[in-house]
Amino acid sequence: AQSVAQPEDQVNVAEGNPLTVKCTYSVSGNPYLFWYVQYPNRGLQFLLKYITGDNLVKGSYGFEAEFNKSQTSFHLKKPSALVSDSALYFCAVRDGFNKFYFGSGTKLNVKP
Amino acid sequence: GAVVSQHPSWVICKSGTSVKIECRSLDFQATTMFWYRQFPKQSLMLMATSNEGSKATYEQGVEKDKFLINHASLTLSTLTVTSAHPEDSSFYICSARGLSGANVLTFGAGSRLTVL
Repeated sequence: AQSVAQPEDQVNVAEGNPLTVKCTYSVSGNPYLFWYVQYPNRGLQFLLKYITGDNLVKGSYGFEAEFNKSQTSFHLKKPSALVSDSALYFCAVRDGFNKFYFGSGTKLNVKP
Repeated sequence: GAVVSQHPSWVICKSGTSVKIECRSLDFQATTMFWYRQFPKQSLMLMATSNEGSKATYEQGVEKDKFLINHASLTLSTLTVTSAHPEDSSFYICSARGLSGANVLTFGAGSRLTVL
C-alpha cells in the first residue's frame, strides 16, 4: 500500500529564514511524489512533483524538494521564507491506479 | 493552465434535504475526477473516483447511496449528498485529471457544507 507521513503538525519559522517541511513515503514500485499547498477554505494548489530524473525538484513560488531514495524522504524546502508562505502543506503519493494519497498535512507559520 | 471550478463554495441546508455540488473542468477534458472530504485540521480523505460515462468507484466505508456521484460528461462531475445530516458537514473538494495530465491533479476550490 502507498502512504506518506508528515511527522510535524506544525512548523514555525521566521521570515527570511530557510524552511523545511518533512515527508517520508512508503510505496511499492517507483514513487510518484507531490507537494500541494492549501490556503484557508480553498482547494489544493500544486507546487511540485518528482517522477524521475534529478533528485532536486524545483517548483512554484521558490519551493524545491529533494527526493532521497535511501531515506524514503521527499522534504519540501525554501531558502528564504515569506509570511505569505504560511499555509497548510500536503505531501502526496500516487499509486499505480492513479489514485493520490495525502499525508496528514503540516501547518507552516512564517512570522515577520 | 488547467482550471477546475467547484460550485457552490458554501452551502447551508436543513437536515434531511439533499445538496448537489458541481465540479467542472473549464479548459480541459477530465476523464477522471476524484472527490475528497476534508475534516477540520485533517487531511483529505478520498471518497470516490469518477470516470466519465461509467459508475463511480467508492472507497471502503463511503456510502454509495448517501453520496451520489455522476460524471455525465468530460467536463462535469456532480456529488449529491442525499438526506444530509449534521455529521455530513464537511469540506468537499473535487479534483480532475485530464487526458494528458495523469501525473498532476488539479483541484477545485472546495465546497463547505453545513447541515443544520
